[in-house]
Amino acid sequence: AQSVTQPDIHITVSEGASLELRCNYSYGATPYLFWYVQSPGQGLQLLLKYFSGDTLVQGIKGFEAEFKRSQSSFNLRKPSVHWSDAAEYFCAAFSGTYKYIFGTGTRLKVLA
Amino acid sequence: NAGVTQTPKFQVLKTGQSMTLQCAQDMNHNSMYWYRQDPGMGLRLIYYSASEGTTDKGEVPNGYNVSRLNKREFSLRLESAAPSQTSVYFCASSESAGGQETQYFGPGTRLLVL
Repeated sequence: AQSVTQPDIHITVSEGASLELRCNYSYGATPYLFWYVQSPGQGLQLLLKYFSGDTLVQGIKGFEAEFKRSQSSFNLRKPSVHWSDAAEYFCAAFSGTYKYIFGTGTRLKVLA
Repeated sequence: NAGVTQTPKFQVLKTGQSMTLQCAQDMNHNSMYWYRQDPGMGLRLIYYSASEGTTDKGEVPNGYNVSRLNKREFSLRLESAAPSQTSVYFCASSESAGGQETQYFGPGTRLLVL
């Protein structure tokens, strides 16, 4: 079955440190992949998306993600985290039948 | 340009009561979606409307009905609420239902069923 897995439920980093959030997908072919961010009490906002081509994708707020077909991964990275990045992050994939499948989310805490 | 709006923001229901969650978008999008978000389970698709006049079931449609009233509005109805429907409900829209389209989300409706 198609699935999106985010292995880390919670991650804590210090402000200014680098960040990597993991995402693995299980599909027969390369799906369309997305990262969303959800601030407390808010809806989801798209950070970036990957369809094809360059495997390193740049997004908003200084985030980037790298698609690795061999590892079925689409990990989100940021070189230097800001306190305002504290939020929940969701990886998602388009399944090809008008449906998006979301991971269970990773909650990021940023220490001052 | 308000994007995607949802009403109400919060609601408390008793088991067996009915209610309708409203969603509207002002981006002239063709496709609209209803999701529920539960702790540890991410977002799950309840129903979607690929275009005006069409609706289809998602992953967890039982206990819900939807109406695509016009291109702007997509409502979700709980006919007889159950405690298992306590959740946060998000409406989203996209220009079309193709996979390359960005989904834009509303702020959510927090529903508690007692």
